[in-house]
This record gives sequence, structure tokens and C-alpha cells, in this order.
Amino acid sequence: GNSVTQMEGPVTLSEEAFLTINCTYTATGYPSLFWYVQYPGEGLQLLLKATKADDKGSNKGFEATYRKETTSFHLEKGSVQVSDSAVYFCALSSQGAQKLVFGQGTRLTINP
Amino acid sequence: GAVVSQHPSRVICKSGTSVKIECRSLDFQATTMFWYRQFPKKSLMLMATSNEGSKATYEQGVEKDKFLINHASLTLSTLTVTSAHPEDSSFYICSAQPGSGNQPQHFGDGTRLSIL
Repeated sequence: GNSVTQMEGPVTLSEEAFLTINCTYTATGYPSLFWYVQYPGEGLQLLLKATKADDKGSNKGFEATYRKETTSFHLEKGSVQVSDSAVYFCALSSQGAQKLVFGQGTRLTINP
Repeated sequence: GAVVSQHPSRVICKSGTSVKIECRSLDFQATTMFWYRQFPKKSLMLMATSNEGSKATYEQGVEKDKFLINHASLTLSTLTVTSAHPEDSSFYICSAQPGSGNQPQHFGDGTRLSIL
């Protein structure tokens, strides 16, 4: 079945550091890939997405590239801020399917 | 755009009470809504998929009679936790999907349910 594996957290960085959160997936066909962010006590917000191989999703300084050859969708940001502290979820949805399959989430804390 | 409102945000009630949680898509029509449960520091577990005008599809292991889902219109789905017990305490999150297929899901802010 489909699955998503994320880098285990928690991750703690200093402000302005470079961020990478790894995400790999297992799926048949060509799934769509997503990164969601969850701030404390809130629901999830779509951060970025990519729907086909080699697509790059980007938003708020975050980027992720859909790599079919390595079945990965790693999240990166060049310079993190304290306000980026949250839990990040990688997810996929299969072609023609509506369900999202989530990774386990990675808690990110940015210290000033 | 694509705002999903979930209400209430927090509820505390006694064991044996039934609790209703509403999920509304405010600026789009959602043919499909999803209900998730999230345990502390864990990922989201899909409970059921709700399609407007039809019965919800429950995931394996989720009790249909315990978690009643109604999707009466294209902008509203409700989850009722019947005869709630302390083990039902959790963070419940809904999402709504405009159109079909590859449209991303938009999430509500969640409901923190605490059963005493």
C-alpha cells in the first residue's frame, strides 16, 4: 500500500539556519505530493504541493522537488525564522484517489 | 480563499454525553469532506470520508455507531461522538475538498475534545 516516511524529529535549529526535512514515499503510479504545516493548537495548512515528477512546489521560502527516481519530496528552506516553528507533515494522494496518506510529522523548533 | 471553519474549537463534557462537531466550507462547495483524529504528537488518522448526500465511508477499525457522520449539504458535514468516554478524548480535524480528484484538501483548525 501507499506510505510516507518522514525524517524523525524533533528538529531544533537556530534562526537563519538551513532546513531540510526528508520525506520519501511508496506508491504506485504517479501520486501527488504535499507538505502541510500545523501550528500549535491548529489544524493543518497546505504549505506546498507538486503533482508530477520534477515539479517544484514553493511557498513562503520553502521548496520541495518531486523526485520520482528517488521517490522523495524533501522540504528545504534557506534561512528559517522563529515563526517557522511548527509540525510539518509530508503527504501523498494517489492518482484518482481522494485520500491523503500522511507521514508521521516532524516537529521543528527554531531558537532565536 | 478555501477556508474551512470547524466548531467548536474546544469542548469539555462528562462521560456519556454526545458531542457534535461541525465542519463548514465557507467559500467553496465541498463534495467530499474528511474526518481525522490526531493523538498527541502523532500523525493524523483518517476516520471516514464523507460525500454529500450519501453515507460516509469509514476506515477499518472506526466504529460507525460511535462516530456518526452527516454530510447534508455541499458546505456542511457534522461528526457526532455518541456516548463519549474518556478514551474518545482527542483532537479531531476535518478537511474539505473542492471539486474532485487532484484538488488539495483544506483543513479546519480542529476540535479538542476532552471527556471527563
